[in-house]
Amino acid sequence: GNSVTQMEGPVTLSEEAFLTINCTYTATGYPSLFWYVQYPGEGLQLLLKATKADDKGSNKGFEATYRKETTSFHLEKGSVQVSDSAVYFCALRVIQGAQKLVFGQGTRLTINP
Amino acid sequence: DTEVTQTPKHLVMGMTNKKSLKCEQHMGHRAMYWYKQKAKKPPELMFVYSYEKLSINESVPSRFSPECPNSSLLNLHLHALQPEDSALYLCASSQVGTFSPEAFFGQGTRLTVV
Repeated sequence: GNSVTQMEGPVTLSEEAFLTINCTYTATGYPSLFWYVQYPGEGLQLLLKATKADDKGSNKGFEATYRKETTSFHLEKGSVQVSDSAVYFCALRVIQGAQKLVFGQGTRLTINP
Repeated sequence: DTEVTQTPKHLVMGMTNKKSLKCEQHMGHRAMYWYKQKAKKPPELMFVYSYEKLSINESVPSRFSPECPNSSLLNLHLHALQPEDSALYLCASSQVGTFSPEAFFGQGTRLTVV
């Protein structure tokens, strides 16, 4: 089946620290991969995407590289800010007759000043 | 414009009420989705519409009834809900196919069943 596994949180860092949130996946075929971010009381916002192996998605200082050999899509940021505090979801999309997004469990990130 | 608009933002309903959630997008997307999200959990897929036809129903109870009247609108009709149905209901839309695979989400409707 198709599934996404994220590192368990919560994750707490100090401002300007380096961030890595691990994500690995299992999928049939060649999925597209995403990171979404959810701020308190809000919907999900697309943070970045990658649609094929070795693609690097990037946005707002965040990066993730689609690694087919390790089935991974780890999220990184070189220097986090307090405003990055949110829940981050790794997701994959498979097409099985129709579109379907499969989410990881989410990682709650808190950045302290 | 990458906006998906959901109304209402908050809804409180009794177990005997009938209400509807609405979702609208003007991005030309032909796939639309309903997700349910409980606190501290990821979104769970409920329904998928592709070209205005229901293509996925994830064994959702019949007290939830989706409707896609046209390519821009998606409704979720609610009837005889239970308190455990209280959650954030998220609508999303995307292109069909792999060219532009990302889904865009609305802000959600926070539903409380009393």
